Amino acid sequence: KQEVTQIPAALSVPEGENLVLNCSFTDSAIYNLQWFRQDPGKGLTSLLLIQSSQREQTSGRLNASLDKSSGRSTLYIAASQPGDSATYLCAVCTWNAGNMLTFGGGTRLMVKP
Amino acid sequence: DAGVTQSPTHLIKTRGQQVTLRCSPKSGHDTVSWYQQALGQGPQFIFQYYEEEERQRGNFPDRFSGHQFPNYSSELNVNALLLGDSALYLCASHPGLNNEQFFGPGTRLTVL
Repeated sequence: KQEVTQIPAALSVPEGENLVLNCSFTDSAIYNLQWFRQDPGKGLTSLLLIQSSQREQTSGRLNASLDKSSGRSTLYIAASQPGDSATYLCAVCTWNAGNMLTFGGGTRLMVKP
Repeated sequence: DAGVTQSPTHLIKTRGQQVTLRCSPKSGHDTVSWYQQALGQGPQFIFQYYEEEERQRGNFPDRFSGHQFPNYSSELNVNALLLGDSALYLCASHPGLNNEQFFGPGTRLTVL
């Protein structure tokens, strides 16, 4: 059974810092990994999708890497801004689990002005 | 291009009642999945519909059922509501298997 863990659970940083969010998963037989952003009480916004054959994806100030063999992904946020404050979730789509996503518990990020 | 839409936005029910939540997928998407997100936790997979059939199911009791219509929209039904069913219910759509999933804004269900 796939299990996904995100560390840290919460993070508070001053504006302008570069930061790294971590995601680990137990079963490396995955199709892809997605990073999402969730604002309080809202739905999920897809940030980046990394296919199992890829090592990283970039979108603006965001860069996500994937090391499938070690079961790890990182989301790098450059020059953080107060508007980046949200919960960040990673989710994996596993070979033997059809197309369901297994989510981590999320990292709650607060960027202080 | 409209994204994934869900209705209603909020819902308050009492224990033992039944509820129906609705989801319209993103244009061009034929697969719909439902997730339950309790406060402070990551979403949990409920089930997935493709070609009007339930293709996959998570660890949820039979009180949770669903339907997919020919236009790919979907409903989630929950019978005999329990206090523990209070959560944000999220719908996701995607074009076939193993592709990027797009989520709707969710329906906040409160069971009193």
